[in-house]
Amino acid sequence: DQQVKQNSPSLSVQEGRISILNCDYTNSMFDYFLWYKKYPAEGPTFLISISSIKDKNEDGRFTVFLNKSAKHLSLHIVPSQPGDSAVYFCAMTTDSWGKFQFGAGTQVVVTP
Amino acid sequence: NAGVTQTPKFQVLKTGQSMTLQCAQDMNHEYMSWYRQDPGMGLRLIHYSVGAGITDQGEVPNGYNVSRSTTEDFPLRLLSAAPSQTSVYFCASREVGGTQYFGPGTRLTVL
Repeated sequence: DQQVKQNSPSLSVQEGRISILNCDYTNSMFDYFLWYKKYPAEGPTFLISISSIKDKNEDGRFTVFLNKSAKHLSLHIVPSQPGDSAVYFCAMTTDSWGKFQFGAGTQVVVTP
Repeated sequence: NAGVTQTPKFQVLKTGQSMTLQCAQDMNHEYMSWYRQDPGMGLRLIHYSVGAGITDQGEVPNGYNVSRSTTEDFPLRLLSAAPSQTSVYFCASREVGGTQYFGPGTRLTVL
């Protein structure tokens, strides 16, 4: 029973346009949310996070939005660049030690 | 700092063989964990440790053992490998409330 779902396994976007990645969850106790980026043959790297007391967090080209009532998390990348081509995982946790639940990932391809 | 290191990078086992996946971190992080990544499943937590001498089970612990004798090392043992354990394994470490750092992964195939 997956508590975290990324329903789009892949996303293709033109360079310079916006990439929007989505993540839905079922456990209302999740209170800390993250996005990771993963290149082939490497481990995931932390990208951006948000706590449940906020609904938006920005870091440069990356913005994470949290809609707690809809149990929906999204990541916006503006503008998209070729180096953004990677797999993106959403992750979330209910405890301070961070036993994270991950989504299945979305493969983003940014085309010239 | 080397960060989180994992060995080996690749491994092929036969069903029933045993092996240990090594993980080490040089950031003095208390929290370490092991995940496996399977197609369409994301990363799933196998075991984790909140400090030397303390370990606990994650979401998919069956078939795996861990120990944490030092802060730096967190090996994952497969006692009798099965084809269902074919996967990519990631070790991670973090401070409480801090960023989680992942190792580069070990790709394991069990025939």
